[in-house]
Amino acid sequence: DQQVKQNSPSLSVQEGRISILNCDYTNSMFDYFLWYKKYPAEGPTFLISISSIKDKNEDGRFTVFLNKSAKHLSLHIVPSQPGDSAVYFCAASVNTDKLIFGTGTRLQVFP
Amino acid sequence: DAGITQSPRHKVTETGTPVTLRCHQTENHRYMYWYRQDPGHGLRLIHYSYGVKDTDKGEVSDGYSVSRSKTEDFLLTLESATSSQTSVYFCAIGGDYGYTFGSGTRLTVV
Repeated sequence: DQQVKQNSPSLSVQEGRISILNCDYTNSMFDYFLWYKKYPAEGPTFLISISSIKDKNEDGRFTVFLNKSAKHLSLHIVPSQPGDSAVYFCAASVNTDKLIFGTGTRLQVFP
Repeated sequence: DAGITQSPRHKVTETGTPVTLRCHQTENHRYMYWYRQDPGHGLRLIHYSYGVKDTDKGEVSDGYSVSRSKTEDFLLTLESATSSQTSVYFCAIGGDYGYTFGSGTRLTVV
């Protein structure tokens, strides 16, 4: 049973435009959410996080939105750059316990 | 780099043989984790450790065992490798607000 779902396996966006990556979860006890970015042959690296007491968190070009009623979070990248091309994983936890990851979305940013 | 290394980086092994993957950290973190990454499944937790000799199972622990005799080392053992265990294995350290991952071990079971 997949508690964290990323229903879009891939996304292609033109450079300079907005990239929106989506994530849904089923466990209402999740109270901390993160996004990780992964390049080929490397481990995932932390990108941005949000606590359930917030509905938005920004860090430069990256913004994460949380909609608790819909059990949905999204990652916005504006403007998208070719270096953003990677696989993005969302993850969630209860009380900062073990992270449960989604299946990943491969983002390709083309010129 | 957070000081977490995995060895080996690549391994090919035969079905039925035991295999041990090593994760070594220099950050003195209590918490360590083993994940596997497979297409269509994302990252799935195999086992984790909250301290020396304190380990527990994750969501896909069947066929795997772990040991942590020192804070810095977390070993993952495939008791008898099967083709379904062909995967990329990641070790991670950390706790409260996110993990730091190693570079991964690509394991192929033939």
